[in-house]
Amino acid sequence: ETGVTQTPRHLVMGMTNKKSLKCEQHLGHNAMYWYKQSAKKPLELMFVYSLEERVENNSVPSRFSPECPNSSHLFLHLHTLQPEDSALYLCASSPPGGDEQYFGPGTRLTVT
Amino acid sequence: GESVGLHLPTLSVQEGDNSIINCAYSNSASDYFIWYKQESGKGPQFIIDIRSNMDKRQGQRVTVLLNKTVKHLSLQIAATQPGDSAVYFCAENADTGRRALTFGSGTRLQVQP
Repeated sequence: ETGVTQTPRHLVMGMTNKKSLKCEQHLGHNAMYWYKQSAKKPLELMFVYSLEERVENNSVPSRFSPECPNSSHLFLHLHTLQPEDSALYLCASSPPGGDEQYFGPGTRLTVT
Repeated sequence: GESVGLHLPTLSVQEGDNSIINCAYSNSASDYFIWYKQESGKGPQFIIDIRSNMDKRQGQRVTVLLNKTVKHLSLQIAATQPGDSAVYFCAENADTGRRALTFGSGTRLQVQP
């Protein structure tokens, strides 16, 4: 266990649903990330938050909306997703001054 | 595992042998490299990292070697155990100010008992 937790671990949603993924860390880290890991591609960086400010958005469709209310929590709000959005969504965090990232267990998302 | 469906190179070794997993990186400006292990149903787990001012770093049963001349990174696992079976990813950070890593596609290590 790295100390990064994600909920839910599994989620099945229809294309018209709205859901949110949650990530939490109490490691004192000051950067948090969302990645997408799908069956046919390597890990893809989606968003980076540093000191609670979004510093990177890698051309992610607007149906994915991140939120970072404080340095310990990160959300990914989902709405009107497509079946191709089915994937493992991973959250990670980094310590101050550090480049290493520590990952949570991921949320396995299935869009039907 | 999470990379099922992705065509991953596979390394098959016998238990007790040493394993070497290789990674080529493309950005000569990268100054930080990291290896992760991902087991089925889990997120990537940090193994070891190295900065570009070093060419070798050792951990517990693992060694990372960096060859900047040919932009090559390797992970050596000594006395490989069945619990080492997983997908291994290398990642690089071309710009430390960006606080983002770029991941390779991974190598699947299978340890035969």
